[in-house]
Amino acid sequence: DQQVKQNSPSLSVQEGRISILNCDYTNSMFDYFLWYKKYPAEGPTFLISISSIKDKNEDGRFTVFLNKSAKHLSLHIVPSQPGDSAVYFCAASDGNAGGTSYGKLTFGQGTILTVHP
Amino acid sequence: DAGVIQSPRHEVTEMGQEVTLRCKPISGHDYLFWYRQTMMRGLELLIYFNNNVPIDDSGMPEDRFSAKMPNASFSTLKIQPSEPRDSAVYFCASSFLLRFRAFFGQGTRLTVV
Repeated sequence: DQQVKQNSPSLSVQEGRISILNCDYTNSMFDYFLWYKKYPAEGPTFLISISSIKDKNEDGRFTVFLNKSAKHLSLHIVPSQPGDSAVYFCAASDGNAGGTSYGKLTFGQGTILTVHP
Repeated sequence: DAGVIQSPRHEVTEMGQEVTLRCKPISGHDYLFWYRQTMMRGLELLIYFNNNVPIDDSGMPEDRFSAKMPNASFSTLKIQPSEPRDSAVYFCASSFLLRFRAFFGQGTRLTVV
């Protein structure tokens, strides 16, 4: 059962345009969300996060939006650059879960972003 | 700090053989995670440790998989016997606070033929 889903396996965008990556989750107890970026032959690296008490968090060209009622979050990259081409993983955590589930990160399948020059 | 260090980077082994993957977490981090990445399932958490103690191994697919953390600076993931369906990239990650950003190693690409 995939609790975090990234339904678009890939996305292709022109340089300078906006990239929008989407993520849906099913567990209403998730209260902390992260995006990771992964280049080939490297491990994922943290990009940006958002707490459920917010609906938007910005860091430079990257903005994450959270819609709790829809259980949906998105990552916007503006403007997109060829160096942004990578796999993007969405992850979620339940900070209030008891026992071994506390704070565990559940990842989506990833979306391959390609930014064309 | 050199970051999370995994070895080997690549491993090719024959079905039935034992495979051991190694990880050195970032110094001072108290959580260590083992993940597996496949095309179908993305990043799956296999097991994680807190202060060298296994906390949750519910993601370990079968008894053929085992993980240890004998001290704060070293962990192993062992597969015995290995099968072709175990072929994947295995990542180790560490963090200071569990639910905040984890730092990943470069991964071990395992191929079982």
